[in-house]
Amino acid sequence: GESVGLHLPTLSVQEGDNSIINCAYSNSASDYFIWYKQESGKGPQFIIDIRSNMDKRQGQRVTVLLNKTVKHLSLQIAATQPGDSAVYFCAEKVNAGNMLTFGGGTRLMVKP
Amino acid sequence: EPEVTQTPSHQVTQMGQEVILRCVPISNHLYFYWYRQILGQKVEFLVSFYNNEISEKSEIFDDQFSVERPDGSNFTLKIRSTKLEDSAMYFCASCLKAGGDTQYFGPGTRLTVL
Repeated sequence: GESVGLHLPTLSVQEGDNSIINCAYSNSASDYFIWYKQESGKGPQFIIDIRSNMDKRQGQRVTVLLNKTVKHLSLQIAATQPGDSAVYFCAEKVNAGNMLTFGGGTRLMVKP
Repeated sequence: EPEVTQTPSHQVTQMGQEVILRCVPISNHLYFYWYRQILGQKVEFLVSFYNNEISEKSEIFDDQFSVERPDGSNFTLKIRSTKLEDSAMYFCASCLKAGGDTQYFGPGTRLTVL
């Protein structure tokens, strides 16, 4: 079946560097995408979202890029900090439903 | 900032027993969800709930599962006869409206079935 997937299971970056976490999705009917951060023992924490009629959205230190042509979503974190260390999930919503389909997650490790 | 809360944080039960997981969604939100995450795996959708009825459910949400909003603040997930494979983190989420509005997650309940 169609699913959201991630290219890299673990990403290790130096503190202060920029991080890019990627996500591939296969369902062209998806119209809404979210990035969540999950720290150990906690629930997913909303980072940023983007609708399918946009290709870029910026937040505080984070940018989400959506490329519908190749069905690719990325999360860019500027000036990565130790507190950014966590597992990052992309999730998609299809059509008018409310169900989120999550990807497998990427672990971001920030080295001081 | 308003948060989704869940109790208990950890529930241990014997196989075949009933469990009820409790959630208090954000107060003005209208849509409520349960997801689960088996250790080391993806977060998986179970059910969504709006206007006192189920609006979507996944294949996981079989007859052993039920949800209820018993009052104006609580949202519960009941598993009637737990199985070993029900062991997972269970997350409650809520959002204000449909159509791609952000779903905010609670901290989760870790269910361990022995």
